[in-house]
Amino acid sequence: SQQGEEDPQALSIQEGENATMNCSYKTSINNLQWYRQNSGRGLVHLILIRSNEREKHSGRLRVTLDTSKKSSSLLITASRAADTASYFCATDFLNNDMRFGAGTRLTVKP
Amino acid sequence: DAGVTQSPTHLIKTRGQHVTLRCSPISGHKSVSWYQQVLGQGPQFIFQYYEKEERGRGNFPDRFSARQFPNYSSELNVNALLLGDSALYLCASSPFGGGRADTQYFGPGTRLTVL
Repeated sequence: SQQGEEDPQALSIQEGENATMNCSYKTSINNLQWYRQNSGRGLVHLILIRSNEREKHSGRLRVTLDTSKKSSSLLITASRAADTASYFCATDFLNNDMRFGAGTRLTVKP
Repeated sequence: DAGVTQSPTHLIKTRGQHVTLRCSPISGHKSVSWYQQVLGQGPQFIFQYYEKEERGRGNFPDRFSARQFPNYSSELNVNALLLGDSALYLCASSPFGGGRADTQYFGPGTRLTVL
């Protein structure tokens, strides 16, 4: 079963706008990660945030984590057409595997 | 350094057949994990191997098995294929494992189609 659930399922924006995706999970975690996937290819790691962290930045990416609400958000600022992809959150589960949500499909229109 | 490699890229099989998928991790990585991704869904965890030992298993039937070799490469085997096994099979490697779920480096995947 999947641990995380992303919201929205699909998001369409114009180039230059910001995109926000949310992730909710069910059990306590040690860390939460965000990955990107282009057109059914392998996943690319974007950012990892640990349970004792509240916010993390990487370039145009900003991730927040609220362990009390069991939720995380990924913000992509000044989006580009190349950001078009599916975005997944993943949480560690029983320390030996990661559980992924169903993903948010982001479309950035030029 | 080369990333995670998987072979073959695409595979077509018929129901009841057996399939073997292969994965080579990034040099120096001792952990390999396998995931199944059905179209439109997120990856589902199948196995994790660390230092050649199974360290985690997802909710998959016994038709699925895997192993890790001394050079840390890995094979995923699926017996008695069903139509529902059609999916993208992803391999991921990590420097760590055996009690630690950290950043995973994914290969391009093997697209399996079962007819």
